[in-house]
Formats: sequence, structure tokens, C-alpha cells
Amino acid sequence: GENVEQHPSTLSVQEGDSAVIKCTYSDSASNYFPWYKQELGKRPQLIIDIRSNVGEKKDQRIAVTLNKTAKHFSLHITETQPEDSAVYFCAANSGGSNYKLTFGKGTLLTVNP
Amino acid sequence: ETGVTQSPTHLIKTRGQQVTLRCSSQSGHNTVSWYQQALGQGPQFIFQYYREEENGRGNFPPRFSGLQFPNYSSELNVNALELDDSALYLCASSVDRFSWFFGPGTRLTVL
Repeated sequence: GENVEQHPSTLSVQEGDSAVIKCTYSDSASNYFPWYKQELGKRPQLIIDIRSNVGEKKDQRIAVTLNKTAKHFSLHITETQPEDSAVYFCAANSGGSNYKLTFGKGTLLTVNP
Repeated sequence: ETGVTQSPTHLIKTRGQQVTLRCSSQSGHNTVSWYQQALGQGPQFIFQYYREEENGRGNFPPRFSGLQFPNYSSELNVNALELDDSALYLCASSVDRFSWFFGPGTRLTVL
């Protein structure tokens, strides 16, 4: 089955700096890669996603890149703000008729003012 | 438009008991998935329901079972609770089975 590796597990940046979180996946049939933000005690919130027919997608300060050949995708946050502090999860779907998501273990991002 | 809701918010049970968790999907979403999130981990897929039928199952024993109703709401039932079942249980719904929107979760504690 699908395996998703995520790193780093923790990331601390200064306000205004950029943050990059990287994930690799194992199932070449996966075709959908979302990123979720989870604040303490809250639900995972979908912040951006990318499908396999696209190499990059941007939404204001957030961007995701996908390299299908290398089976890795990354989240880029520019001009970080303290409110970006949270746990970020990458995920990949399964390639068959079962549309489950396999999640990475998460990255705790801390943005220091 | 109402988002995904879950009930109850918190639950405390003892080992061996049974529990039922409930989920109302986002308006218009016909597919529901359940996930278990242990502390400090990513969510793990339990199973998925599409049009009232199970459409895939993760590595969870048969004592984890579910239902989906005609209005697309769903239940997760866990029998013979074990200490390791203590976790946050998340329900997610989707209209296209790509973008998934999560509920706030039910925090289950098994003593």
C-alpha cells in the first residue's frame, strides 16, 4: 500500500522567513496530494492540493510543487506569520477505486515573532 | 452551507465497552471516510462509505464497523474497546472523493 514520508518533523522559522516541508510517496498510481493544517485541538483544514497533471500550484503565500518522477511533493510558505504556527500534514490518495488518503506523520511549524 | 459535524465531542469508556460515534457530512457530500488520529500522529484511514456501502477499509479489525444513512450521515461503531483505541476519531466528507473536509473529531478515552 501507499507509504508517505514527511520531513522535517519540526521546523522553527523567524516571522517573514520562508518554510518548506517535503514529502515522498511510494504508490506511482497516486494522483492527488493535499496538504492539511491542524492547529492544537482543531480539525485538519485543507489548505492547498495538487493533482498529478500539474507540477505546481500557488495560492497567495502558499505553494505546492510535485515531481511525479521522483515521487515527491513539497509545501512552500512564504512571508511566514505567527498564525501559520501549526502542525502540517501531507497526504496522498490511493490509485485505485478506494479514495483513501495516506498521511505523513506531520511537521510542527513554529513561527517566532 | 453547513460543514462536517461530529458527536459527541468527548467520550470516556472502559475497556470492553462499545461505542458509537456520529458524523453529519457537509451538504451535498455523498462520501464519508473515518480516520483514527493517535496523539502526535497523522490520521489513519479506517473505512469509507459511498452511497451507503463500504468502499474500502484500512488495517483495522472487524470490531470497527460503520454505517452510512440515506442522508449521507454516518456512524462508526467500535466493539470490545481496548486501551489502544484511545484517539481522536475524525470523519471527513467529499463530493468528488478528492477534496476531503474534516469534522472537529470525537476524542475517545478508554480506561
